[in-house]
Amino acid sequence: GESVGLHLPTLSVQEGDNSIINCAYSNSASDYFIWYKQESGKGPQFIIDIRSNMDKRQGQRVTVLLNKTVKHLSLQIAATQPGDSAVYFCAEYPGSSYKLIFGSGTRLLVRP
Amino acid sequence: DADVTQTPRNRITKTGKRIMLECSQTKGHDRMYWYRQDPGLGLRLIYYSFDVKDINKGEISDGYSVSRQAQAKFSLSLESAIPNQTALYFCATSDSSWTGSTDTQYFGPGTRLTVL
Repeated sequence: GESVGLHLPTLSVQEGDNSIINCAYSNSASDYFIWYKQESGKGPQFIIDIRSNMDKRQGQRVTVLLNKTVKHLSLQIAATQPGDSAVYFCAEYPGSSYKLIFGSGTRLLVRP
Repeated sequence: DADVTQTPRNRITKTGKRIMLECSQTKGHDRMYWYRQDPGLGLRLIYYSFDVKDINKGEISDGYSVSRQAQAKFSLSLESAIPNQTALYFCATSDSSWTGSTDTQYFGPGTRLTVL
């Protein structure tokens, strides 16, 4: 089976509830952020992104919030569904670098 | 059809063997990347290529080499595999020419490599 995420922090939510996944990023010069979703046996899938000149961006059932003061990023999922169960990664672009820096991820478990 | 494909999807090999992992993309992107993923460690960059003539080392390039055979193909080689290279390997692509998006990366399905 899938071995990724054995030691990850886990968020367990009831189906239908809202989920909030948090991420602390490292570089104050980072100007672009992405959330990825990784389901078991699959590669990371782009969910939503946000630039540093914004503090909130909404997609379909997902919202990303950016707090540059404390270098914190969050992903909110509304009305969480079983299909949302996955590992979620935040990633940052540190300004002049062309390389994404990934967080270690959070596992989201949705209880039926 | 998937935009980013990786072969093989699973591979078991022995210490000392040479292994090649292949990545192909139909997205028309100029940038390609190889990552490895270990439990609890997220994704770590091995090599990246901004075009066919441009190859750069990532944070963990030791023990690996790459070849960018064409814009659409980027292969990763382990010249002499060792057990601590057992991991999930992902290829990714991004498009530097798309104004308004700073290199959003799109990932392949991954290769599970086990070195005995």
